[in-house]
Amino acid sequence: SAVISQKPSRDICQRGTSLTIQCQVDSQVTMMFWYRQQPGQSLTLIATANQGSEATYESGFVIDKFPISRPNLTFSTLTVSNMSPEDSSIYLCSVVAWGQGSEKLFFGSGTQLSVL
Amino acid sequence: QKEVEQDPGPLSVPEGAIVSLNCTYSNSAFQYFMWYRQYSRKGPELLMYTYSSGNKEDGRFTAQVDKSSKYISLFIRDSQPSDSATYLCAMKPSSASKIIFGSGTRLSIRP
Repeated sequence: SAVISQKPSRDICQRGTSLTIQCQVDSQVTMMFWYRQQPGQSLTLIATANQGSEATYESGFVIDKFPISRPNLTFSTLTVSNMSPEDSSIYLCSVVAWGQGSEKLFFGSGTQLSVL
Repeated sequence: QKEVEQDPGPLSVPEGAIVSLNCTYSNSAFQYFMWYRQYSRKGPELLMYTYSSGNKEDGRFTAQVDKSSKYISLFIRDSQPSDSATYLCAMKPSSASKIIFGSGTRLSIRP
């Protein structure tokens, strides 16, 4: 399994500002993922962050709005840029790691973001 | 139509009851099925992981997959107040594929 530390755990931000969320894993992993979880909705994959290359974004998400860094195999950041109230959500970092004999997806504790 | 449908609840049952949580899906290519538990202000935690059809049991939890009906279930026996959480089903067609999540069912176990 993997232990994932994510911070901040929550923040309240003003419209038009940016917030950077950090994700630290206790072991080296090839791929890290960023998800958004809006109230009453399923988890939506924002992008996949690979070390040494640009992140791969899902349909509906763009690099200018959600720039991602992946400087090494244990760390990644997601920035939510030029925020609006529609960006209020939980943002989750996750990694694929071995657990119970196969690869599984593990999550950090999430960042609760509120935009005023 | 969503690929994965899950009743959002909330579902409230008395302590000790058997809980049944369900998801339906439309993509017959799904082969890997998961259940995650998410406590308030926490990230999802993997609870059960199954491949293809059949049952898998782990303590008080049983995961059931019926691929012919495109229907998966999670049963919780002897439910405890500590089981109160949101339960998300998830699935994917192959080991390397993106996971598709249900929207989650809020469960409350009354003491």
